[in-house]
Amino acid sequence: DSGVTQTPKHLITATGQRVTLRCSPRSGDLSVYWYQQSLDQGLQFLIQYYNGEERAKGNILERFSAQQFPDLHSELNLSSLELGDSALYFCASSSFEGSYNEQFFGPGTRLTVL
Amino acid sequence: KNEVEQSPQNLTAQEGEFITINCSYSVGISALHWLQQHPGGGIVSLFMLSSGKKKHGRLIATINIQEKHSSLHITASHPRDSAVYICAVKGISGTYKYIFGTGTRLKVLA
Repeated sequence: DSGVTQTPKHLITATGQRVTLRCSPRSGDLSVYWYQQSLDQGLQFLIQYYNGEERAKGNILERFSAQQFPDLHSELNLSSLELGDSALYFCASSSFEGSYNEQFFGPGTRLTVL
Repeated sequence: KNEVEQSPQNLTAQEGEFITINCSYSVGISALHWLQQHPGGGIVSLFMLSSGKKKHGRLIATINIQEKHSSLHITASHPRDSAVYICAVKGISGTYKYIFGTGTRLKVLA
């Protein structure tokens, strides 16, 4: 158990809908990362937050947004869902924001868009 | 051509064999990360390297910054090592961009 929790574990929804994925980092970790893993694209970095502020952006679509709250939990919002958004979404946390800090991954949320 | 290439893509080994997985990258990096993804989907961070070599149990990771290459070695492999091993690089300061390799699927037979 990494100490990172993600809810829900599974999510099935329809095209055009909006969903929110939630991540609670390890106790004391200030940095949260979101990743998407689809069958055809592999793992992709979406976005990083550090202590409530956005720090880095990867291949995150405009239909997706995220935030980190004062209690350090983070939410990833996915809207106008398309079939291609079906994927595993992972959250990871680390103590600080720098390159050299080990990341601890949550179990993932499996999103299926029908 | 992908910015991060892993080889081999698939690897089957007998229990006890020494295994090497390679990762080559073409961009400037501040760190390289080796990850293990279990058949159930969970991801475990194995090593984060910026230079030299790290060892943890039967796992050894090395990186050669000049050659833009890293290797992950597993000594005395065991069926529980069966997983997908993923290399990821983090861009130089100011970019913070993570780029992932496509992974190496390892199966260790008893």
